[in-house]
Amino acid sequence: GAVVSQHPSRVICKSGTSVKIECRSLDFQATTMFWYRQFPKKSLMLMATSNEGSKATYEQGVEKDKFLINHASLTLSTLTVTSAHPEDSSFYICSAPLGTEAFFGQGTRLTVV
Amino acid sequence: AQSVAQPEDQVNVAEGNPLTVKCTYSVSGNPYLFWYVQYPNRGLQFLLKYITGDNLVKGSYGFEAEFNKSQTSFHLKKPSALVSDSALYFCAVRSSGGSYIPTFGRGTSLIVHP
Repeated sequence: GAVVSQHPSRVICKSGTSVKIECRSLDFQATTMFWYRQFPKKSLMLMATSNEGSKATYEQGVEKDKFLINHASLTLSTLTVTSAHPEDSSFYICSAPLGTEAFFGQGTRLTVV
Repeated sequence: AQSVAQPEDQVNVAEGNPLTVKCTYSVSGNPYLFWYVQYPNRGLQFLLKYITGDNLVKGSYGFEAEFNKSQTSFHLKKPSALVSDSALYFCAVRSSGGSYIPTFGRGTSLIVHP
């Protein structure tokens, strides 16, 4: 199947700093990618839809200025958590659709200390 | 609007016994249905999908699921559980004609006891 690579898999940062997470489709082009946040033992919460060549579409309640999304090319989307705080600590997962399926990255465990 | 219900937070089963993880859905039009598995600190791995055709779908690792249109269900099954099947399982649905963004259930933790 198609491969989506997410990097880094784990990151620890200090409060107030920014963290960038990359999501790449390795063997297919993705004009759209999805960013999810997952709380412990909870389902995935869709944060935003990343669109190549245009602005991301954010879900209600997600702060656009805090979670910056850039879809720089047909194979790369990035999520930047700006001025991170401990409450931003979570597991972030990206996904790219191909045909009828969605392929997921490995996830990024963000810990803000 | 589309929605998925996974009524069980946790399913416990003994190794070697059959397992079932339940999923019901609501969607406008024809459904596309999916099952994913997630291991700790990992992304989601695709198990199987129903798009059209046979109601019984076979997927990875010996899992299968049966699409039941009248009951709007898509339960995940395996004839003989392995300890290594212990993980978090997500059911997802999207409409064939609507939004291509899938809606996920809340997840069911499967624990297989030796």
